[in-house]
Amino acid sequence: EVQLLESGGDLVQPGGSLRLSCAASGFTFSSYAMSWVRQGPGKGLEWVSTISGSGDRVDYADSVKGRFTISRDNSKNTLYLQMNSLRGEDTAVFYCAKVGAITPPNFDYWGQGTLVTVSS
Amino acid sequence: IQMTQSPSSLSASVGDRVTITCRASQSISRYLNWYQQKPGKAPKLMIYAASALQNGVPSRFSGSGSGTEFSLTISSLQPEDFATYYCQQTYSTPRDTFGGGTKVEMK
Repeated sequence: EVQLLESGGDLVQPGGSLRLSCAASGFTFSSYAMSWVRQGPGKGLEWVSTISGSGDRVDYADSVKGRFTISRDNSKNTLYLQMNSLRGEDTAVFYCAKVGAITPPNFDYWGQGTLVTVSS
Repeated sequence: IQMTQSPSSLSASVGDRVTITCRASQSISRYLNWYQQKPGKAPKLMIYAASALQNGVPSRFSGSGSGTEFSLTISSLQPEDFATYYCQQTYSTPRDTFGGGTKVEMK
């Protein structure tokens, strides 16, 4: 059974940093791209970042480029999101999602989410 | 690529046929997925490639469309179907974009 478990969400001051983790199990982690998707309070879904299975290709939404860094440790089956220079508009539930194997791509499994609150 | 869903919300009764529309700002072929999200829960993939049913999804759900116009139809709404539905384009992957969502509420 595929499981994705996020952690690391917290209350942080504007300008602060936070690292999110997503522990994966139930599939061959290194074979799949992984993404982070966020959802602000009462808002819709926003794609944040994606990393390839090997970790050699990454991409970011313009809203986080230069502030967030996605990475993965395939030996630990874990996905990360390092978030720096946090702003109030980054307040959201952050989900990690597995990119499905079929084409066209989709997010076939999601974690339960972790809440990041940016406030003084 | 901008994705526009309509309506943003709708009220329906159990047994109703419900259709949600998603429009892309440019042609995305059939690179269109639909997700269901219930309050406090993660989204769940329902339909991929515009019309393919994800494993385990009831057959009352169907998707259609290509190019810029897509729709999700629930043939006979069940109590567990009250939720918010999002379309997602993956034509420009990894720079995917989601529609604004359609909340299906009980009348």
